[in-house]
Amino acid sequence: AQRVTQPEKLLSVFKGAPVELKCNYSYSGSPELFWYVQYSRQRLQLLLRHISRESIKGFTADLNKGETSFHLKKPFAQEEDSAMYYCALSGTDNDMRFGAGTRLTVKP
Amino acid sequence: ETGVTQSPTHLIKTRGQQVTLRCSSQSGHNTVSWYQQALGQGPQFIFQYYREEENGRGNFPPRFSGLQFPNYSSELNVNALELDDSALYLCASSLGVSENTGELFFGEGSRLTVL
Repeated sequence: AQRVTQPEKLLSVFKGAPVELKCNYSYSGSPELFWYVQYSRQRLQLLLRHISRESIKGFTADLNKGETSFHLKKPFAQEEDSAMYYCALSGTDNDMRFGAGTRLTVKP
Repeated sequence: ETGVTQSPTHLIKTRGQQVTLRCSSQSGHNTVSWYQQALGQGPQFIFQYYREEENGRGNFPPRFSGLQFPNYSSELNVNALELDDSALYLCASSLGVSENTGELFFGEGSRLTVL
């Protein structure tokens, strides 16, 4: 069964501090993993995908198959990073399976 | 470029009634997926339509059904509404299977309340 787990519902850091949003998954095949973000009063949108190996808005995420993790990291958090973050896995049946989300608050 | 639009934005129904939610996909997209998002949860996959055919379904009962039209817009129908159907229903469009990068483009959702 494919499943995405985000263990933290809430995460609060100070501006300039490093931030790590955790994501663990279970999937029997080769996963395609994504991070989606929802800023206040905006719609859900893609932040980054693991196959692109890109850094978006200073965020990176590395797929660790051994630990079945895809944690999202940023070395220096900014206030505008405050948002709801969802880890997602694309698997069988053309579905995108989302975690429950982590609300990140960056305090000034 | 027109984004994904959904209607209605809010609606209230009573238990046992039926509801139809509508979605217009982003220009150039031929695939539409529907999600249910309960309060405090992530979006849960209901089903996907690709070129007017159902192309995958999540763990939802048959009273959740859908349609996709030749212009790639879509409807989600829910029969015999239950209290637990109260949720935000999200529509997302994407490129077809062969061009799919995995990126979903979401609408703002339709918030359904069942009393």
